[in-house]
Amino acid sequence: AQSVSQHNHHVILSEAASLELGCNYSYGGTVNLFWYVQYPGQHLQLLLKYFSGDPLVKGIKGFEAEFIKSKFSFNLRKPSVQWSDTAEYFCAVSPYNNNDMRFGAGTRLTVKP
Amino acid sequence: GAGVSQSPRYKVAKRGQDVALRCDPISGHVSLFWYQQALGQGPEFLTYFQNEAQLDKSGLPSDRFFAERPEGSVSTLKIQRTQQEDSAVYLCASSGRGLVGTEAFFGQGTRLTVV
Repeated sequence: AQSVSQHNHHVILSEAASLELGCNYSYGGTVNLFWYVQYPGQHLQLLLKYFSGDPLVKGIKGFEAEFIKSKFSFNLRKPSVQWSDTAEYFCAVSPYNNNDMRFGAGTRLTVKP
Repeated sequence: GAGVSQSPRYKVAKRGQDVALRCDPISGHVSLFWYQQALGQGPEFLTYFQNEAQLDKSGLPSDRFFAERPEGSVSTLKIQRTQQEDSAVYLCASSGRGLVGTEAFFGQGTRLTVV
């Protein structure tokens, strides 16, 4: 089955700093890629997704991610973080032709005001 | 319904007790997942259904864990003879009006505490 690695366990930034969270996956075929966010006390919500087409995907709240097929990567970026971005971020992958989704261990982002 | 609904939201079980956790997926969604999320960890895959067929149960940690989705809609995750290490949040998600990959929508989870 497919698997996901997230490199950073905990990232601490000041407001207005730029963010990049790493995500690499392992799977031999075509994939769908996702970033989910979990705010404190809330359920997982979709931030953005890649199915096909432009490898640079824009999501909600100013987040974007770039799919680099040769590197099996799908890193999440935001040019300027806000205190309200404090949350846990999860990368996930599923094979292109089905919905079997697997998650990374997550990266906890703390944004200091 | 409008979203994925899980019940109960919280469950406290005495060690050795059997528990049943329920998931009502989004209407029409083909795929249903169960994940286990320990504190500070990502969702760990438990099992995956397409309609009523359980296609992958490789993530179930022991034979005390059993999941079913008999009519391809509501699903139940049962844990027999609960142990302290079973304490976690159990997440249900559903996706896909078809078989081609789409994003999963999550419920609020059931927080199980085994005492």
